[in-house]
Parts: sequence; C-alpha cells; structure tokens
Amino acid sequence: DAGVIQSPRHEVTEMGQEVTLRCKPISGHDYLFWYRQTMMRGLELLIYFNNNVPIDDSGMPEDRFSAKMPNASFSTLKIQPSEPRDSAVYFCASSFGTRNTEAFFGQGTRLTVV
Amino acid sequence: TQLLEQSPQFLSIQEGENLTVYCNSSSVFSSLQWYRQEPGEGPVLLVTVVTGGEVKKLKRLTFQFGDARKDSSLHITAAQPGDTGLYLCAGANQGGKLIFGQGTELSVKP
Repeated sequence: DAGVIQSPRHEVTEMGQEVTLRCKPISGHDYLFWYRQTMMRGLELLIYFNNNVPIDDSGMPEDRFSAKMPNASFSTLKIQPSEPRDSAVYFCASSFGTRNTEAFFGQGTRLTVV
Repeated sequence: TQLLEQSPQFLSIQEGENLTVYCNSSSVFSSLQWYRQEPGEGPVLLVTVVTGGEVKKLKRLTFQFGDARKDSSLHITAAQPGDTGLYLCAGANQGGKLIFGQGTELSVKP
C-alpha cells in the first residue's frame, strides 16, 4: 500500500477563494482524521470519521470549514471562503480499529492564504 | 474537553546528554502514543503504552505510562544528533478519538 495520500502538497490561494484538500486513506482502515498544524497551536484535531460517518467535528473552527467522506477511499476538507488565518499544514491520517492502533499520516498539504 | 500538555516545548542539548519529555492531562486515556515528526513529513509512531505503570524501551528511548493513565514521559539516554526532531504525545479514548500535545522540538548538537 502507498500509505495515506494527500493532495495537493502545496496550495497558495487568495483570501475569499474556496479551497479543497483531498485524502485517500490506507485501504481497509476504518478511521480517518483531519488535523491542522501551526506553530502556535500545534496539531489540532478538526474532525474524524468512522466507517465514513463523522463522529466528532467539535474541532472544526467555524462554518467555513466542512468535511465529507463519500466512500471508504476518499475524503475532502473544504474551506470556503478562505482567510489568511487558515494558513497551516493540514494532515489526514487513517487507522484501523480503536484498540490502541497506530495512526498513519499523509505528508500533509501546506496551505497559504494571501 | 480532553487536553494534553507537553513540556518542555523546546529543548536544545549537547550530544551525549540525557533528557526527559513530559505529557500530562487531567483526563484518562485508553492508551498513550508517542510520535516523531521530521520537517515536511507527517508524524510517525514510536510506541504505544496501554497499561497504567507500563514501561517500554526502544533502544535509548524509555517510555512510561502513569499509574492513573493520565500522563506519560519519554526519556532519551545519551542523545545523538539523529534524535533531533519534533516529539508528540497523543492520547486515544475508547471512541477512537486521537488528540495530540503541542509537541517538544528537540535539537541535539554534536
């Protein structure tokens, strides 16, 4: 397996534009996580899914952020409209089961909103 | 809200020194994980501790889970420049939620 695949690796966009980040989890994994990493706040959990169903989205900053998982092999995180304070590295991770299992991370998407 | 506090945030030491990183919470976790992150990459798992009081060793790294399963520590003996990186603790609950501490940026100078 190629691991968790995220795209794009880098995204530069203007304030007010819509941004869509994509993630392909490891095949067979039933949990998918979206995190945001900044120097100030560290690695924050935004939302996580179990079997394609959102379980906890309490970390989503505001209504401008939305996430979907239409099937077991694909998830998106959308920001609309984007703002400069959304600039960060966004990570997707997947895991199997809840019994103390390892989360496998993608390489992240570095988002810059100017 | 479950929170994990990690300390110190930054650590700069000389090769050969020992160091300890702490991860504390007021919440109980079903497991505590430690990850290491290199620049431009996602975190990679080092170890998972599950039982209160559990100690695990990975070469020069020793990981301990507190008796009450609320805190953990990472001790590195005789640090080497190759240990440089961001170390993250993460707590998992039974529902599958995985939250991370702020991280400890370690720099080991030759």
